[in-house]
This record gives sequence, C-alpha cells and structure tokens, in this order.
Amino acid sequence: GENVEQHPSTLSVQEGDSAVIKCTYSDSASNYFPWYKQELGKRPQLIIDIRSNVGEKKDQRIAVTLNKTAKHFSLHITETQPEDSAVYFCAAPGVNFNKFYFGSGTKLNVKP
Amino acid sequence: NAGVTQTPKFRVLKTGQSMTLLCAQDMNHEYMYWYRQDPGMGLRLIHYSVGEGTTAKGEVPDGYNVSRLKKQNFLLGLESAAPSQTSVYFCASSYISGNEQFFGPGTRLTVL
Repeated sequence: GENVEQHPSTLSVQEGDSAVIKCTYSDSASNYFPWYKQELGKRPQLIIDIRSNVGEKKDQRIAVTLNKTAKHFSLHITETQPEDSAVYFCAAPGVNFNKFYFGSGTKLNVKP
Repeated sequence: NAGVTQTPKFRVLKTGQSMTLLCAQDMNHEYMYWYRQDPGMGLRLIHYSVGEGTTAKGEVPDGYNVSRLKKQNFLLGLESAAPSQTSVYFCASSYISGNEQFFGPGTRLTVL
C-alpha cells in the first residue's frame, strides 16, 4: 500500500515565526493530499488540501505545496499563533483511492 | 446537522469481552471508515465501506469486524478484546473517495 512519511515529529517555534511540515509518499498515482489538524482531545479536522493538478494552494496563513516529481508535499504556516499549537497529519490515498494512509503526525508547539 | 457521531465515548473492557462501536452520519455520505489512533502512530485504517452493504479491510483489520447494513451507520465489533486493542477509535465519512473526511469525536477504549 501507500507509504506516507511525515517530518518532523515535533516542532517548536516562537509566535510569529513560520512552521513547515513535510510529507513524502510512495504511490505516484496519488492525486489528493489533505492536511488535518487535531487539537488535544479533539477530532481531526481538515485545514487544507491540494489536488495533483496544482503545485500550490493558499488559505490565509496556511499553504500547501506539492512536488509530484519528488513525491512530497508540505504544509506551511506563517505568522504562527498559540492557537496553531496542535498535531498535524498529512494523508495520501491508496492505489484504489478508496482509502487513505496517514502520516505519523507532527506536534507543533507555538511559544508565546 | 449532527455530522458524524460515535457511541460510546469511553469504554473499559476486560480481556475476552466483546463490544460494538456505533458510528452514525447524517450527511448522506457513501464512504465510511474506522481508524485507530495510537501515540506516535497517526491514524491507521481498520476497515472501510464504499456504500451500504459493502465493507473492506484496511491496514490493521485483525481482531475487528464491521457491518454497514444502513447507509448512515457503520458498526465496528470486537469479538474478543485484547489489551493491544486499547486505543482511541475514530469513525469518518466522506461523500466520495478522494474527498474531505469528516471525523467523529472518537471513542476511548481501554482493555484490561
């Protein structure tokens, strides 16, 4: 099946700095790449996603970039705020696109 | 709309006991999923369903069974619980494959 690797596992930044989380995937046919945010004790929620026909997508302070050749995609958060502190997961679909494989998560800590 | 709901929220079982987790969605989604979340391992797919009456295995199906008798419900069963099944279980649904997954609030299961 698909193999999704996510780095780093933990990330600590000062408020106002940028944060970047990277994921690599193995199946070159994958075409949809979501990012989920999970606050402590809560459910994962989609924050941004990208499809394979574009290289970058932005939504206010967050952006996702995709490099299909290198098979990696990254989440960029600018001007980080304490409320950005959470665990972030990337995901990529399996061969038949019916199921998703999640990365192991990145715990982001934004220090005030 | 309630979105995706899960019952129960918490449960403690003894080794060998059985139980059923219920997931319900009111968004008329075709696809439903059961994940388990363990520390440092992200979300791993147990079973999934692409429509009423269908089920398929995910990454970690052993020890679990599922049923999708009605489109809005997806049940996860543990026939003989083991301590290794101690985890947080999340249900999710999506309208079609390759689309946003909406997660339930999770069920925290402890097997003693």
